[in-house]
Parts: sequence; structure tokens; C-alpha cells
Amino acid sequence: DTAVSQTPKYLVTQMGNDKSIKCEQNLGHDTMYWYKQDSKKFLKIMFSYNNKELIINETVPNRFSPKSPDKAHLNLHINSLELGDSAVYFCASSQGKPIYGYTFGSGTRLTVV
Amino acid sequence: AQTVTQSQPEMSVQEAETVTLSCTYDTSESNYYLFWYKQPPSRQMILVIRQEAYKQQNATENRFSVNFQKAAKSFSLKISDSQLGDTAMYFCAFMRSSGAGSYQLTFGKGTKLSVIP
Repeated sequence: DTAVSQTPKYLVTQMGNDKSIKCEQNLGHDTMYWYKQDSKKFLKIMFSYNNKELIINETVPNRFSPKSPDKAHLNLHINSLELGDSAVYFCASSQGKPIYGYTFGSGTRLTVV
Repeated sequence: AQTVTQSQPEMSVQEAETVTLSCTYDTSESNYYLFWYKQPPSRQMILVIRQEAYKQQNATENRFSVNFQKAAKSFSLKISDSQLGDTAMYFCAFMRSSGAGSYQLTFGKGTKLSVIP
């Protein structure tokens, strides 16, 4: 009955590899997001999708490509991983009323070695 | 651009005491929303309390309350009767519309709160 689920929870990979993180929400929300939390715990938005349409695309290297096959899923693919990509990546979703804020997934800790 | 400032990187409080976490923000928008999120060591982001900018009344949720000063752009969080389970990072966040049903949350850098037995 998990509301926003991300897989995997942990990912360790070598520089130069390509990896994907998957996110699914069963809340019926129209909008989904990816946030990056760096080593100092700072959270910064990367992308948002509303009903499969890209809405927000912050200054993120184009090695990062989000894909939303339907409004319940938002995946993040990362090409040619670099050491600086090591972080915790959070998926979140929101419904039409902003006062409810976001519902977050439990995060994916990506470590690039 | 919106900015959110949390001036206290770390704080500590004795169990059962009260603590206040500070947050200020900068915006030219008139309609927005403010939140406090808690992130315990488990890493999960948990919504603690929310406030609509056009509502004068300060929000409360059990032991958590806010002091919202719109003119001063201040949104502090008060935790009463602190419990060991309150130990976490606390993030203040500002939300505005980004269009097309999307709402962007901008976070402060967080305050690490430790509750001491």
C-alpha cells in the first residue's frame, strides 16, 4: 500500500555506467517530481511532469533524462555517471491542491565509485 | 527567484522542553504556501505542518505550531514537549505554482535538531 515507491533504494555503480531509477505512485496524483539531495542535505528540484508532460526542467546535465510512460510513473535515467552524481534522489507526487504539499518516496541513494 | 533561509544549521533541546526553528523566505508572489518537512535518519521526508499565505491564523498540528509573519516573510516552527523521536533534519519549504498544475517546492538548507534525553 506504499504511496510513492522508488526502486532501487540503494545503487552503487562505476563511473561511466548508465543507470535508471524507477518511481511509481498509487495516489492518483497528476504531477510527479524528481529532487536531488546532495551530501550537505540540500534538496533541489530537477524535473516535474504533469500528466506525462514535462513542466519543470531545471539546470540539469542532459545526461539526466526523465521518462513518464503514464501519470503514475516517472523514471530517471542517467547516462555516463560521474562521481558528482552521487546523492540521494527523491521522487515525489502532488495532487491539484497545493496545500497538501508533496508526498515523497523513500529516496534512492546513488553512489558512483 | 524564491529563496528560503534557515539560519540555524544545528540545534539541540532537552526532552520535554520547547524549541523554535527559524525560517525566512524571499518572494514577490502574493499567493503561496509554506511547509515544514521532517527528515529523520530513515531518510523519509515527512510533512509536519502547512500554511496558506492568505490565512492569517497560524497553523497547529498537535505539538507543532508555526508563527507566520507575512510582512516579515518569516515562518518559524515551534515544537512543544520535545520527544526523542523529534530528532531529525527539519526543512522549511516554499511552494508556488509553476503552471499546468505543477507546484514547485523550494527548500531551505535545513536545521538538524537533536533532542537530548
